[in-house]
Amino acid sequence: DTGVSQDPRHKITKRGQNVTFRCDPISEHNRLYWYRQTLGQGPEFLTYFQNEAQLEKSRLLSDRFSAERPKGSFSTLEIQRTEQGDSAMYLCASSFRLGVNTEAFFGQGTRLTVV
Amino acid sequence: QKEVEQDPGPLSVPEGAIVSLNCTYSNSAFQYFMWYRQYSRKGPELLMYTYSSGNKEDGRFTAQVDKSSKYISLFIRDSQPSDSATYLCAMIDPGGDKIIFGKGTRLHILP
Repeated sequence: DTGVSQDPRHKITKRGQNVTFRCDPISEHNRLYWYRQTLGQGPEFLTYFQNEAQLEKSRLLSDRFSAERPKGSFSTLEIQRTEQGDSAMYLCASSFRLGVNTEAFFGQGTRLTVV
Repeated sequence: QKEVEQDPGPLSVPEGAIVSLNCTYSNSAFQYFMWYRQYSRKGPELLMYTYSSGNKEDGRFTAQVDKSSKYISLFIRDSQPSDSATYLCAMIDPGGDKIIFGKGTRLHILP
């Protein structure tokens, strides 16, 4: 297992189009997180899954955003009707339950540009 | 007030200098504190992980947590050009459900 994998690494799309990103977590991790990072900002929490259950969604996650984690393995994040403000780096991370000596491992991110 | 405050920099120091990076936070319930390093166009990677107050050292890196002041620090000794990156302070929310990040400080080590 080589860590958290995200695909694609880069995506350029026209405003109004739908895009979907994929995250493959570290296989034994039961938690999977999605974050968004814009230039000059730290990562902002979007949502997380424990196994296949989506347990929390941020207010940042508008109705145009949907995330799934079928069978508790890989996850997808879909953005419908993209807007220029959606341009950002989308980061995925996986872990066991966060706490003492439990690290969240991040992928390299998917950089989205909406033109 | 944001939960985690961090000066975005940039901070430029000469090679070999001691670097001090800091964050303040507002929620006294935070117990787990981390520093992540992020190179340009890469994902964050964990540098240091500290539970509650105190110091933790790992090679050239020392993390300090002062819960009474709600203040955390990262010190880098003998800084190297390869240390040039963005450093993100982070805390685990009290429910253990997510990591909350600061804005990140951009650090440049000048050869």
